[in-house]
Amino acid sequence: AQSVTQLDSQVPVFEEAPVELRCNYSSSVSVYLFWYVQYPNQGLQLLLKYLSGSTLVESINGFEAEFNKSQTSFHLRKPSVHISDTAEYFCAAANMDSNYQLIWGAGTKLIIKP
Amino acid sequence: AAGVIQSPRHLIKEKRETATLKCYPIPRHDTVYWYQQGPGQDPQFLISFYEKMQSDKGSIPDRFSAQQFSDYHSELNMSSLELGDSALYFCASSSLGQSRGFYNEQFFGPGTRLTVL
Repeated sequence: AQSVTQLDSQVPVFEEAPVELRCNYSSSVSVYLFWYVQYPNQGLQLLLKYLSGSTLVESINGFEAEFNKSQTSFHLRKPSVHISDTAEYFCAAANMDSNYQLIWGAGTKLIIKP
Repeated sequence: AAGVIQSPRHLIKEKRETATLKCYPIPRHDTVYWYQQGPGQDPQFLISFYEKMQSDKGSIPDRFSAQQFSDYHSELNMSSLELGDSALYFCASSSLGQSRGFYNEQFFGPGTRLTVL
């Protein structure tokens, strides 16, 4: 069965420091991968997605993620975080086996320290 | 651009009461998904509808039912509410019919926060 693992439940980081939020997936077939962000008391917003093509995908607010098939990873990175990045980040996957239903990771809370 | 609309945004109910949550998908989207997100948890898929028919079923309790109407809006009906039903309920929509067999991005609504007292 496919699954998505986010090993870190919380990641504290100082403002303007780089951050990496880890995501690993298991899938026996081609997979689509996503990062969603949930700001406090708000809904889920798609941050970025990998469907095919270039393995490095970027968002408009400076986040990027790289699909690494050999390591079955889709880690999210930002070179310099801002206090406004405080949120919970969910990694998700979808493929044919799941009938394209999203399989969610447990989420990682990004805590920005001033 | 129009987004997914959910109503109400907040709902407070007593145990054993019923609740109805509504979801209005993005225009021309034919597929609706319902998710439940408990406090500090990841979203759990409940059920989905494509062209007014149930297409997938997840961890939806028997006390819950849902349907999609002719205008593609969907309602999640919850009966005999329990304290553990307190959660954020998300609806998402996509245009599955345009390219079946491939992933279509799900657009999420803001959620309905249900509190059962």
